[in-house]
Amino acid sequence: AQSVTQLGSHVSVSEGALVLLRCNYSSSVPPYLFWYVQYPNQGLQLLLKYTSAATLVKGINGFEAEFKKSETSFHLTKPSAHMSDAAEYFCAVNNFGNEKLTFGTGTRLTIIP
Amino acid sequence: NAGVTQTPKFQVLKTGQSMTLQCAQDMNHEYMSWYRQDPGMGLRLIHYSVGAGITDQGEVPNGYNVSRSTTEDFPLRLLSAAPSQTSVYFCASWRRGDNQPQHFGDGTRLSIL
Repeated sequence: AQSVTQLGSHVSVSEGALVLLRCNYSSSVPPYLFWYVQYPNQGLQLLLKYTSAATLVKGINGFEAEFKKSETSFHLTKPSAHMSDAAEYFCAVNNFGNEKLTFGTGTRLTIIP
Repeated sequence: NAGVTQTPKFQVLKTGQSMTLQCAQDMNHEYMSWYRQDPGMGLRLIHYSVGAGITDQGEVPNGYNVSRSTTEDFPLRLLSAAPSQTSVYFCASWRRGDNQPQHFGDGTRLSIL
């Protein structure tokens, strides 16, 4: 079975500060990992994905995530928060050849002016 | 290019009524899926399809039916609505080889009274 745990359902950071959203995974085989962003009243957008190539993955809007097998983590970071980053962020996992994507419970990011 | 289109955007039903949530994509994607999103629970997979005529169950399929007669359309049917099915429903599509849902609709907000 595969699963992801997102630590912190709500995270607040000041504009210009580092954004760190945490995701830990559990998988019996090497996983594929993803981060999605959801703006109010919209569907999800894919931010970035890890599919066993480079462990540091760069995505859209200045976000990146690092796959750490030893820590079973895939944390999302951005060096400097913008007001437009306020949204809900979901970590997700599946395995190669598996169409069933498993989502975390989400982290709502608030940016303080 | 409309992407993934879901209709209706909002719907209120009475317990026991039936209805169909529509999902259409114009990108010729082989894979489509339905998720429900509930507060604090992330997105959970209801049903998915890997091509016309092929569907399979996800994590929470009970009370829902799907069919895939064409590549473009993937309707979700509620046979006898229950208050527990009050949720936001998202349809997603992706190409074979993408490993994950790439395009999401904007959702259908469904309330069952």
